[in-house]
Amino acid sequence: SQTIHQWPATLVQPVGSPLSLECTVEGTSNPNLYWYRQAAGRGLQLLFYSVGIGQISSEVPQNLSASRPQDRQFILSSKKLLLSDSGFYLCAWGLDGPGYEQYFGPGTRLTVT
Amino acid sequence: AQKVTQAQTEISVVEKEDVTLDCVYETRDTTYYLFWYKQPPSGELVFLIRRNSFDEQNEISGRYSWNFQKSTSSFNFTITASQVVDSAVYFCALSEGEYSGGGADGLTFGKGTHLIIQP
Repeated sequence: SQTIHQWPATLVQPVGSPLSLECTVEGTSNPNLYWYRQAAGRGLQLLFYSVGIGQISSEVPQNLSASRPQDRQFILSSKKLLLSDSGFYLCAWGLDGPGYEQYFGPGTRLTVT
Repeated sequence: AQKVTQAQTEISVVEKEDVTLDCVYETRDTTYYLFWYKQPPSGELVFLIRRNSFDEQNEISGRYSWNFQKSTSSFNFTITASQVVDSAVYFCALSEGEYSGGGADGLTFGKGTHLIIQP
C-alpha cells in the first residue's frame, strides 16, 4: 500500500531564516505530487504540483519554491521566511490523469516568529 | 474559473442526530470530479469519496451518504446517526476536465465546514 511521509511535523522559525520541508511517497511510481498550504485553520491553497522529476508548476507567485530531485521526493523551500508563510503545509500524491483523488500526508505546522 | 462554496462555517449537533453538509460548485467544464475529505483534529486529510459529472447516482457508505444534483450544482454530504468521532472539518473539492496529457492541476477546495458532535 502507498504511504506518504512529511517532516518535520512542527517547525518554529524566525523571520528571514531558510526553510526546507520534505515529502516522500512509498508504494507507487511516478506519482503526481502536490504542495498545499492551509492558513488560519481553513481552506487549502495549491502552491505547487509536479508530474515528474524536475518538473514543477507554480500556482501562486510567492516566497516559496519547490523541487523534485527524485521520483517520490518533493521538497518545499524558502530562502527567507516571512511572517505570512506561517501555516499548515500538506503534501499530497495522486495518479496521473483527470479526476483521480489525492492522498495527503500528515502535514507540517510552520510558525514564523 | 472553478469554485467550491461551503456556506456552513460551523455546525453543532447532538450525538445521534442526522446532519447534512452543503457543497455548491461552479465550473464551465462538462467533465469534472467532486470529492469530499475529512480533516480530524490531527490535521491529515482523509479521502472519503469521488464522483464524476456523468454519474448522478446517490452513494451510501454506512452512515455516510452523498447526494449529487447537477441541476443545482450541489454535492451534499449527510451523516446519519452522528457520533462524536465524526467531529472534524469536512472539505468539498472539485477537479476539472479532460486529460491534457501532462497537466495535473490540483483540487479546488471549499473553505470547509467544522462539524461538532456533542455527546
